Amino acid sequence: KAGVTQTPRYLIKTRGQQVTLSCSPISGHRSVSWYQQTPGQGLQFLFEYFSETQRNKGNFPGRFSGRQFSNSRSEMNVSTLELGDSALYLCASSRDFDEKLFFGSGTQLSVL
Amino acid sequence: TQLLEQSPQFLSIQEGENLTVYCNSSSVFSSLQWYRQEPGEGPVLLVTVVTGGEVKKLKRLTFQFGDARKDSSLHITAAQPGDTGLYLCAVIIQGAQKLVFGQGTRLTINP
Repeated sequence: KAGVTQTPRYLIKTRGQQVTLSCSPISGHRSVSWYQQTPGQGLQFLFEYFSETQRNKGNFPGRFSGRQFSNSRSEMNVSTLELGDSALYLCASSRDFDEKLFFGSGTQLSVL
Repeated sequence: TQLLEQSPQFLSIQEGENLTVYCNSSSVFSSLQWYRQEPGEGPVLLVTVVTGGEVKKLKRLTFQFGDARKDSSLHITAAQPGDTGLYLCAVIIQGAQKLVFGQGTRLTINP
């Protein structure tokens, strides 16, 4: 059974650019959530999607957005990148949110 | 202030030693999870504790949920280099579909 796949693994962008990260959940999983991990703040919740609907959003500015497709794959977008957006972005999937979460290996974003 | 306070933040010990790390809060939770994250990887769920006072064992790892369901501990017996990693506790915020994590304990086991 394939795990959660995140692409790309590494990304380097400059301030002001935008970026799109992709997450393919485990087959059959309909819940996808996103987290930002930084050394200073740790793991912070970004948003959660279930069956193409965003059910909750964390305390992040509107520059952070996401979506989920009918096949449960999810993307998140960050516009107008800032230096502080440099982080590991993790995606997790589950059949529904309160069931066991499986995390991907993350996308390491560096903003220069 | 953090909902979950983990201590210590960093721990470096020799192979074969025992250790305990803690996850504390002033809030009561219906359950609490422990994850381990290795460099370059996402967190992996180790255990979920649900009942106050519950003890769960996973090989050399022993997890305990406090009687009042406000805190938890992870004890590792005879630590091995393969135990090296970031240990995170987390709770599910019911109705909000999100996990809240502690800051983690970064554990290094030296051969």
